[in-house]
Amino acid sequence: DIQMTQSPSSVSASVGDRVTITCRASQGIISWLAWYQQKPGKAPNLLIYAASSLQSGVPSRFRGSGSGTDFTLTISSLQPEDFATYYCQQTYGFPITFGQGTRLEIK
Amino acid sequence: EVQLVQSGAEVKKPGATVKISCKVSGYTFIDYYMHWVQQAPGKGLEWMGLVDPEDGETIYVEKFQGRVTITADTSTDTTYMELSDLRSEDTAVYYCARPSSSHNRDFDYWGQGTLVTVSS
Repeated sequence: DIQMTQSPSSVSASVGDRVTITCRASQGIISWLAWYQQKPGKAPNLLIYAASSLQSGVPSRFRGSGSGTDFTLTISSLQPEDFATYYCQQTYGFPITFGQGTRLEIK
Repeated sequence: EVQLVQSGAEVKKPGATVKISCKVSGYTFIDYYMHWVQQAPGKGLEWMGLVDPEDGETIYVEKFQGRVTITADTSTDTTYMELSDLRSEDTAVYYCARPSSSHNRDFDYWGQGTLVTVSS
């Protein structure tokens, strides 16, 4: 199975800050990576697919990059509604696997 | 509008079986696989498996192999996830999720989630 490791596990930031979350795959997955945002009590919401493609309706302050084994999600100029948990997911092969999540908290 | 509507919360005893439904609307049911994802309380997301509604073919993750059955009913545009021999560690929210295109594996539509509580 492909293991997905996110860092950090949690991060504190302020409104207006720039935040970067990293996701590393245990083997190369080309660009088969997605990012999700999840708020408490809600289903995950797709932000980025194919490592860097912005899902329709997602604000442009969300940016994904990377290929192979190393990927990043950058949120520029944090907004109050961005405080949530973020997950990466490899979509390269079965079984589909997710990172353990990164909790983004208000400083 | 694409919608995935899941059945309500369940409370089960250890050793029992639970069957959760996910009824879809707003798209052609057989055109997309349907996936199921588990999320234990305070934990991350774990993919369980998928069904191809067109022919009923399934793929399951090894962790749940032998205990999970995912099916699709094309007469009602509904998929089902059945989990047997329930244990306390199966207490979780279960989501159905539709991929963004027919053979992709990222999920752009999700059900609202169904909480399953396993307790004696």
